[in-house]
Amino acid sequence: DTGVSQNPRHKITKRGQNVTFRCDPISEHNRLYWYRQTLGQGPEFLTYFQNEAQLEKSRLLSDRFSAERPKGSFSTLEIQRTEQGDSAMYLCASSLGYGTSAYEQYFGPGTRLTVT
Amino acid sequence: KQEVTQIPAALSVPEGENLVLNCSFTDSAIYNLQWFRQDPGKGLTSLLLIQSSQREQTSGRLNASLDKSSGRSTLYIAASQPGDSATYLCAVFGDNNDMRFGAGTRLTVKP
Repeated sequence: DTGVSQNPRHKITKRGQNVTFRCDPISEHNRLYWYRQTLGQGPEFLTYFQNEAQLEKSRLLSDRFSAERPKGSFSTLEIQRTEQGDSAMYLCASSLGYGTSAYEQYFGPGTRLTVT
Repeated sequence: KQEVTQIPAALSVPEGENLVLNCSFTDSAIYNLQWFRQDPGKGLTSLLLIQSSQREQTSGRLNASLDKSSGRSTLYIAASQPGDSATYLCAVFGDNNDMRFGAGTRLTVKP
């Protein structure tokens, strides 16, 4: 397995447009996390899934954001009616979810979103 | 609410020097603490994970310690190299099932 992958790597969109990002976790990992990172800051937690169930959502995840993980494998993060403040790096991570290394997170390369 | 602070924000050292990066957190109810490396414009690479029951972990030239009761962790890098230049992030995973990150320490190792 080659690790966590994210697509696209870069996205430029105009304000008001909708965008969707995809994350493919490490295959045997049943936990999947989304984070947002702005310049000079550490990543901020957005939401996480245990298999297909979305179990936790940050207050940062406004109504314009929605995440899914329909079959407990890949996940999508959609932002509707994008705003310039949504410009950031969106990071996905996965973890095993059980055993001694249950919560060790492995990150993807991120999707850089620029809203013009 | 868990707050994670990293000091210093930036550090510049000559090649070969040993250095220590500091991380502090406000809530000691954590499952683990993880140190990451991030190169500019890239994702995060996991360096070391310390479980809440552990005191330290070592990998090559890196050693991380954890003092949960005082809410502190350190990352020690021995014999630094220019390739170590990156931002180092510490993160704690708590019983809210979310991971809280510090803002990072930007390390520059000069040849």
